Amino acid sequence: DVKVTQSSRYLVKRTGEKVFLECVQDMDHENMFWYRQDPGLGLRLIYFSYDVKMKEKGDIPEGYSVSREKKERFSLILESASTNQTSMYLCASSSREKLSPTDTQYFGPGTRLTVL
Amino acid sequence: QKEVEQDPGPLSVPEGAIVSLNCTYSNSAFQYFMWYRQYSRKGPELLMYTYSSGNKEDGRFTAQVDKSSKYISLFIRDSQPSDSATYLCALRRSGGYQKVTFGTGTKLQVIP
Repeated sequence: DVKVTQSSRYLVKRTGEKVFLECVQDMDHENMFWYRQDPGLGLRLIYFSYDVKMKEKGDIPEGYSVSREKKERFSLILESASTNQTSMYLCASSSREKLSPTDTQYFGPGTRLTVL
Repeated sequence: QKEVEQDPGPLSVPEGAIVSLNCTYSNSAFQYFMWYRQYSRKGPELLMYTYSSGNKEDGRFTAQVDKSSKYISLFIRDSQPSDSATYLCALRRSGGYQKVTFGTGTKLQVIP
């Protein structure tokens, strides 16, 4: 059974703070993703990684960076948190079967981040 | 124009009703079509996928794709209170990296 865990369920930070969101998966998946989910906007891809130390920008990378030093762990970093980064952050992972339609993304439970 | 449009609801139905959830899309490059279900305070989980026009059935759930109209649907028969969740359509292009474009989700409530 695939498990994706995220370090915190709820997080409250102040404007300007550096924020780290951690994600760990236990299925040896190559691909990992960070999304944010906002009402009316749905899930938007921030960054993804298809291998250790590799990263690609998603649709909304501004204000974020990522780190993937180990295959199982993918971190999202907010260098200087702002109020418009208040959101639900979801991590996902999938195997590298790019041609398979059954290629499923497995999601963690999410981190609700509030920036005051 | 958004690539994928989905009515956010909320949709409220009595237990036992047939539910129809829909998405429209604008880009014919989308080849794989998925439905994710997201319970409150949980991450989305894959419910069904299909990659061709037509119907695919799995128990009480039927996914329907009409590529000519760029329209996808999820039908739930004999809806149960446990089906209360947000349903997201998700579309993916063939080839390339695994970018998935999600709809905004439709919130469904099944009333006992």
